[in-house]
Amino acid sequence: KAGVTQTPRYLIKTRGQQVTLSCSPISGHRSVSWYQQTPGQGLQFLFEYFSETQRNKGNFPGRFSGRQFSNSRSEMNVSTLELGDSALYLCASSRNREVYTEAFFGQGTRLTVV
Amino acid sequence: SQQGEEDPQALSIQEGENATMNCSYKTSINNLQWYRQNSGRGLVHLILIRSNEREKHSGRLRVTLDTSKKSSSLLITASRAADTASYFCATPDSNYQLIWGAGTKLIIKP
Repeated sequence: KAGVTQTPRYLIKTRGQQVTLSCSPISGHRSVSWYQQTPGQGLQFLFEYFSETQRNKGNFPGRFSGRQFSNSRSEMNVSTLELGDSALYLCASSRNREVYTEAFFGQGTRLTVV
Repeated sequence: SQQGEEDPQALSIQEGENATMNCSYKTSINNLQWYRQNSGRGLVHLILIRSNEREKHSGRLRVTLDTSKKSSSLLITASRAADTASYFCATPDSNYQLIWGAGTKLIIKP
């Protein structure tokens, strides 16, 4: 079965612009989580969506937002981009919300802000 | 936030040798998971060990868990060039969010 698909794979944006990243989870998975990965901060949780509702949010400013559609696909948006937003953004899907569920990751979107 | 530390930060060994990585965590856990990340790509789930388990095997991987010391180790036996990657441990918090360690960068020299 198809894995988690993230688009686009690479993005270059200018400071002040906004960007939308997309994630298609594995078929049948209802939970989608987003992470930001940088060399300095490591993997940091952004937010989680389950059944179109945001269930959990990490410690990021309001410029970072997301949503989930009825088919479980998810998007995240970053507005007013800053240089520090340059990172690898990873999406992970899980079948449901339970503590023993493993997460399946996409290949990530590499965002560079110039 | 990060759950804990991984040790060492980087490890370079010869192909065929065994590689051991350690992970320490701060709070009580239900389970601990290990993931692998090839250079700048997505993470791949390797193994999950529950808090009531002490050891688990999967192919060339062996994971141990010591809840009294709040630590886990990942052993890769008979390493191969394809094992070159970063390895992360992660534990779920009460909101099912995975809290990650800083990772160990493993380099296998041919």
